[in-house]
Amino acid sequence: DTEVTQTPKHLVMGMTNKKSLKCEQHMGHRAMYWYKQKAKKPPELMFVYSYEKLSINESVPSRFSPECPNSSLLNLHLHALQPEDSALYLCASSPGQGAKGAFFGQGTRLTVV
Amino acid sequence: TQLLEQSPQFLSIQEGENLTVYCNSSSVFSSLQWYRQEPGEGPVLLVTVVTGGEVKKLKRLTFQFGDARKDSSLHITAAQPGDTGLYLCAGGGSGYSTLTFGKGTMLLVSP
Repeated sequence: DTEVTQTPKHLVMGMTNKKSLKCEQHMGHRAMYWYKQKAKKPPELMFVYSYEKLSINESVPSRFSPECPNSSLLNLHLHALQPEDSALYLCASSPGQGAKGAFFGQGTRLTVV
Repeated sequence: TQLLEQSPQFLSIQEGENLTVYCNSSSVFSSLQWYRQEPGEGPVLLVTVVTGGEVKKLKRLTFQFGDARKDSSLHITAAQPGDTGLYLCAGGGSGYSTLTFGKGTMLLVSP
């Protein structure tokens, strides 16, 4: 299994809603990431988890809250988002060493209305 | 801050043509990856290069890592419409490093 699975694929939410994005991998990777990607731009790093601990938070607003329940799962909890938060949210995982590259999920297309 | 410059930013060619995409930096990277991304999908890892001067081939795609590990190129021979997509290079450091992405090259191959 070389897949990173993200759900849902599409999400529309209001600015007062609470929702969660989910990510799962079964490759035994110990690093997992959340990226945000706007149209025609490269992915921007949001959070990095290594060995289930948050290791990097790229100054992301608190309305985004990551969670790593175990080594295979990564969640991103969303609350009180703004329309400018609409984007493609990508989850990725990698083996311990960054030199081996990262594997990305298909992404969740989020629209905030 | 490590930066990766990709060129060209956009490339529109006819089926059968050859092309080269460049990824350059003033920083040294432990590794460099190339990804292809189609609209609405996540990036797909094509290759990882780790050794200066390394050349890897993936069917019609040839990837090269510069001797000083600061730059890389992707060459596509006889491009096909299925090659259309956003090509991203990304540099990695050591350990549980994050990836530094270039801005991408949007390739359009017309039949």
